[in-house]
Formats: sequence, structure tokens, C-alpha cells
Amino acid sequence: DSGVTQTPKHLITATGQRVTLRCSPRSGDLSVYWYQQSLDQGLQFLIQYYNGEERAKGNILERFSAQQFPDLHSELNLSSLELGDSALYFCASSVVTSHNEQFFGPGTRLTVL
Amino acid sequence: QQQVKQSPQSLIVQKGGISIINCAYENTAFDYFPWYQQFPGKGPALLIAIRPDVSEKKEGRFTISFNKSAKQFSLHIMDSQPGDSATYFCAASSPIFTQGGSEKLVFGKGTKLTVNP
Repeated sequence: DSGVTQTPKHLITATGQRVTLRCSPRSGDLSVYWYQQSLDQGLQFLIQYYNGEERAKGNILERFSAQQFPDLHSELNLSSLELGDSALYFCASSVVTSHNEQFFGPGTRLTVL
Repeated sequence: QQQVKQSPQSLIVQKGGISIINCAYENTAFDYFPWYQQFPGKGPALLIAIRPDVSEKKEGRFTISFNKSAKQFSLHIMDSQPGDSATYFCAASSPIFTQGGSEKLVFGKGTKLTVNP
């Protein structure tokens, strides 16, 4: 158990809908990362937050957004969902140091029908 | 653009054998190279990591070899066991003070390892 929690574990929804994925980082970790894992693209970095502020952005679609709250939990919002958004979404957290050890949560499996 | 290339895509070894997975990178600003292990239905778990100031790091049966001039690094699993059967990912990141730098990880495509009993 990495100490990172993600909810829900599974999510099934329809095209055009909006969903919210939630992540709670390990105790003491200030940085949260979101990654998407699909069969064809592998693990892709989406976005990083550090202590409530956006730190870095990857290939995140404009339909996707995220935020980190004062209690450091983070939410990833996916809107106008398309079939191709079906994937595993992972959250990772780290204490931002030079070692950059990132610990991953169990993921949310999103299925868009 | 794939910045970290991993091979092979799949690997089958016998119990007790050595598993070797290779990765190559392009960005010379990368300064942190972790390996992650992922079992089906689980999140990636950090296995071992190395920085470019050393050429090798060993933790138990797992060893990372790093060749800075060739921009390559590899994972060696000694005495491979059926419980090692999983998908392994190499990754890299660059320091935040470099242009476009962040602690974000750039992953290889993964290697599915099967260890036969």
C-alpha cells in the first residue's frame, strides 16, 4: 500500500458526460501528479500540482482540468467525455525534493460507453 | 515524441534466470531514472532508482546499470522468480530548474515479464 488513495476504483459513464476523480496524497506529500495509462499511449503525464498551485502541464486535453485543495487532496475533472478517454487514471504524490520519489495510487478505471 | 525507449516489449525467463530490460533516453537534462513494477489491476510501485553520478545501484536481486555516455540504463533481475512476473516501466525526469523541467516522469512503454516456474 503506497499510502495514496483514489476514488472511485471504477467508473462507467456515457459519451458527453462529466466525471470527477479524487486523490488523497500520502501524509506529508505536497505534490500531486496525474497520469493516464492506456494500451496505445502507455503512461502519460497529465498535470502536477504543488501545495495548491499548478506546477507543470503535460499533454492534458482542454476538456480536462484539475485542482488541489487546501487539505492537499486533488481532483481531476474530465468533461465532454469521448470513447478514447477510456483509460486508467493514476494519481501519484511526492515530497518535492531532489529525489523525486513518486508513489502511485491504485488508480481509477474509467470506461466511456 | 517518445523520449524514453524501452525494450523488449515482452520477456519470458525461467525461474532462477536473469531478466534484463533496457531503456534509452534522448534528453540529456534527465537526472533521475526510476524503475516501476506494476501488477495487473494495481498502480505502479517504485522498485529502484538511480542518478547519473553512479554507474550501478543494487537493491537485493534488482540492479540498475547506467551508461551516461550512451544515454542508456537497464534493469537486471537476478534469480528471477514467478512472483516477479509483472510489467516493468523505466522512467526519467529532469530537474525543475531546466527549461521545461518538472518532477514529472516520462515513462517507457513497459516490458511484460513472465517468469516460468
